[in-house]
Amino acid sequence: EADIYQTPRYLVIGTGKKITLECSQTMGHDKMYWYQQDPGMELHLIHYSYGVNSTEKGDLSSESTVSRIRTEHFPLTLESARPSHTSQYLCASSESGDDEKLFFGSGTQLSVL
Amino acid sequence: SQKIEQNSEALNIQEGKTATLTCNYTNYSPAYLQWYRQDPGRGPVFLLLIRENEKEKRKERLKVTFDTTLKQSLFHITASQPADSATYLCALDRTGGGNKLTFGTGTQLKVEL
Repeated sequence: EADIYQTPRYLVIGTGKKITLECSQTMGHDKMYWYQQDPGMELHLIHYSYGVNSTEKGDLSSESTVSRIRTEHFPLTLESARPSHTSQYLCASSESGDDEKLFFGSGTQLSVL
Repeated sequence: SQKIEQNSEALNIQEGKTATLTCNYTNYSPAYLQWYRQDPGRGPVFLLLIRENEKEKRKERLKVTFDTTLKQSLFHITASQPADSATYLCALDRTGGGNKLTFGTGTQLKVEL
């Protein structure tokens, strides 16, 4: 069982609100990722971090931002939520190396009304 | 452009039979390929990793093959059980290292009694 936690599990929020999705891991992994997944679709990488104070944008353009102040914590923030942001957001982590497997959290299902 | 294809239609098989799922890719030269299991509303769970110089990998009832000439991986579950019902995702690294994975859309497997 992976020790990576996401909160909240579900979030329904109105347009224009600021939200932060939390992700924490207790495995001491240097690398962390945020993926976005719509029903029946593939996961798209939106942000990743290879260590503290390191963040990069992924393949899919996203209006969200991330921070990595502590190794174990990788929150994602949307300054002004819109209905187009409705999706499932999955956080993952991995050890450093060339072929490490990803450990995923259970995800946050975000619905913006 | 780079592309990963998995059977979009669900695969229905009878309990005890072998399930075979396909992952085809184009315009990649991956150093390795990974398979994950995803249950509804949950994050993916890592199953197996196979490197480009490996033809086959086994783990309990699971077997993965990797043909870099055909650009194809096959994922087999022998003696399938209803508990094996889930969506199975293949993922490739795009850079030959660094673990930025690209995922396929997945194939849904249903094992019936």
